[in-house]
Amino acid sequence: GQNIDQPTEMTATEGAIVQINCTYQTSGFNGLFWYQQHAGEAPTFLSYNVLDGLEEKGRFSSFLSRSKGYSYLLLKELQMKDSASYLCAVPSGGYNKLIFGAGTRLAVHP
Amino acid sequence: EAGVVQSPRYKIIEKKQPVAFWCNPISGHNTLYWYRQNLGQGPELLIRYENEEAVDDSQLPKDRFSAERLKGVDSTLKIQPAELGDSAVYLCASNQGGGETEAFFGQGTRLTVV
Repeated sequence: GQNIDQPTEMTATEGAIVQINCTYQTSGFNGLFWYQQHAGEAPTFLSYNVLDGLEEKGRFSSFLSRSKGYSYLLLKELQMKDSASYLCAVPSGGYNKLIFGAGTRLAVHP
Repeated sequence: EAGVVQSPRYKIIEKKQPVAFWCNPISGHNTLYWYRQNLGQGPELLIRYENEEAVDDSQLPKDRFSAERLKGVDSTLKIQPAELGDSAVYLCASNQGGGETEAFFGQGTRLTVV
């Protein structure tokens, strides 16, 4: 089966950098997704990693280590609008079923 | 291009009453998912459709929940009768399926059972 762990809450200051960690255990690895979810809104796709290393996309970067079962999402130059929940997810049963972590609620303060 | 559309956005019902949610996926997306998200938790899959076929409904409480996707496009999820513990956000998502493709989510239906 799959098991995903993320911190429940984090706080950070506007303009700073924050790293949100995710550890996972999965019976077969088919990549790892990060989604952003603002309160009362739909989850929206941020990144997908299938190979080890860092992938950068603007202010957001995602890192994966398959041997360690570990990923992180790095948010730079934080803005107030980045206050949201960040969900780590891994596919199960092939590619078409996502198992989500509980999410990390990030609060960005001025 | 329109995203995944769900209705209603909000629904309040008394326990033991029936309720139905509707989802219109992105055009051309063969795979449709229904997820349930409890407060402070990540979404949990209830059922997955490939076209009109339910290929994974292992997490669907079949005694009270049912779903259909008759023509392989729109889908409905029904609860009858609703219980207090069914209060949650019900999310519909879709993608093209068949590979490592992201899922696109609708805004969800927030159900409150009183």
